[in-house]
Amino acid sequence: GAVVSQHPSRVICKSGTSVKIECRSLDFQATTMFWYRQFPKQSLMLMATSNEGSKATYEQGVEKDKFLINHASLTLSTLTVTSAHPEDSSFYICSATPRGGFNYGYTFGSGTRLTVV
Amino acid sequence: AQSVAQPEDQVNVAEGNPLTVKCTYSVSGNPYLFWYVQYPNRGLQFLLKYITGDNLVKGSYGFEAEFNKSQTSFHLKKPSALVSDSALYFCAVRDLTGAAGNKLTFGGGTRVLVKP
Repeated sequence: GAVVSQHPSRVICKSGTSVKIECRSLDFQATTMFWYRQFPKQSLMLMATSNEGSKATYEQGVEKDKFLINHASLTLSTLTVTSAHPEDSSFYICSATPRGGFNYGYTFGSGTRLTVV
Repeated sequence: AQSVAQPEDQVNVAEGNPLTVKCTYSVSGNPYLFWYVQYPNRGLQFLLKYITGDNLVKGSYGFEAEFNKSQTSFHLKKPSALVSDSALYFCAVRDLTGAAGNKLTFGGGTRVLVKP
């Protein structure tokens, strides 16, 4: 089945630094990837949708200069949290789907726990 | 706009008893409906989906869900719960009208606790 690998699983960084999270589709070409943020005991909030080779589409209220998304290849999307602050601490999850594959479901990565100190 | 409601924050059930997790949805067109399960500090694992066809959908780990168009519901069920089913469950919907694109909208999640 479709597998999405997300790395790192946990990261602790100092306030003001930037952190990059990678999301890879291991056995399929992911034309679309989604990035979510999840606060403790809450649901997933969609941050942005990225299509390979084009700019990401950000949801209302998400700062695109703060959360940089790159989807340069069909198997890799990255989320960079720039100038991270403690309020950016959260669980970030990516999801990927192949071309025309929306009907078949969305495969999720295992998530990244970001702690900004 | 599409939306999903999971009216129960938590469901407690004894091991061996039936488990039901409720979900209702609102979309402008025909829905694609999904159930996912999340274990602590992990991503979401797919359980089952409804696209078309039989209203009763069977999924992974003995779970099933019934699509009810008139009640706009898609409740998740398992005839006999296991302690290992204790986790966070999410219902999600994709609106086929295209207004929301290919986005999934998630419910708030329901925590299931199965006691031995």
